[in-house]
Amino acid sequence: AQSVSQHNHHVILSEAASLELGCNYSYGGTVNLFWYVQYPGQHLQLLLKYFSGDPLVKGIKGFEAEFIKSKFSFNLRKPSVQWSDTAEYFCAGLKNRDDKIIFGKGTRLHILP
Amino acid sequence: DVKVTQSSRYLVKRTGEKVFLECVQDMDHENMFWYRQDPGLGLRLIYFSYDVKMKEKGDIPEGYSVSREKKERFSLILESASTNQTSMYLCASSLRGQPQHFGDGTRLSIL
Repeated sequence: AQSVSQHNHHVILSEAASLELGCNYSYGGTVNLFWYVQYPGQHLQLLLKYFSGDPLVKGIKGFEAEFIKSKFSFNLRKPSVQWSDTAEYFCAGLKNRDDKIIFGKGTRLHILP
Repeated sequence: DVKVTQSSRYLVKRTGEKVFLECVQDMDHENMFWYRQDPGLGLRLIYFSYDVKMKEKGDIPEGYSVSREKKERFSLILESASTNQTSMYLCASSLRGQPQHFGDGTRLSIL
């Protein structure tokens, strides 16, 4: 079955630490991948997306993600996190332009000031 | 900017009631979706619609139905609410093949 999995359910970091959140998808063919972020009390917002082209994708707020086809991975990174990055992060995949998006279970990120 | 508006942020209903959750988008998107979000389970798709009067079951449609009479509006209906339907409900919309835009969510409590 098609799935998107996130390795960490809960991550705690100190400010200025580097961040990498893992994401793997289980289906083949053309994939379109996303990271969404949900800040406390706010709606889900798109952080970045990969459709094709350069596998290193830059998003808002200094985030980036790298699509590695051989590893079926799309990990999210940020070199130096801030307290305001505290949020829940969801990896998601849209298969073959099928408009149904499959979401991972989310990673709750907590940044200590 | 895309606006997806859900009619209520918080709602409290009783077991057995028929509950309507409304969602409106203002960007002429073809696709609309209803999810529920529960801790540790992420987002689970209940129903979605590719066009007016069209609907498709998602992963957990049991106990729910939907209505899409107009392109901009997608309603989720709990036919007879039960306590296990207490959850955060999220509506989303998108253009074909594009990322989804989400509303603020409705936190529904069934007593």
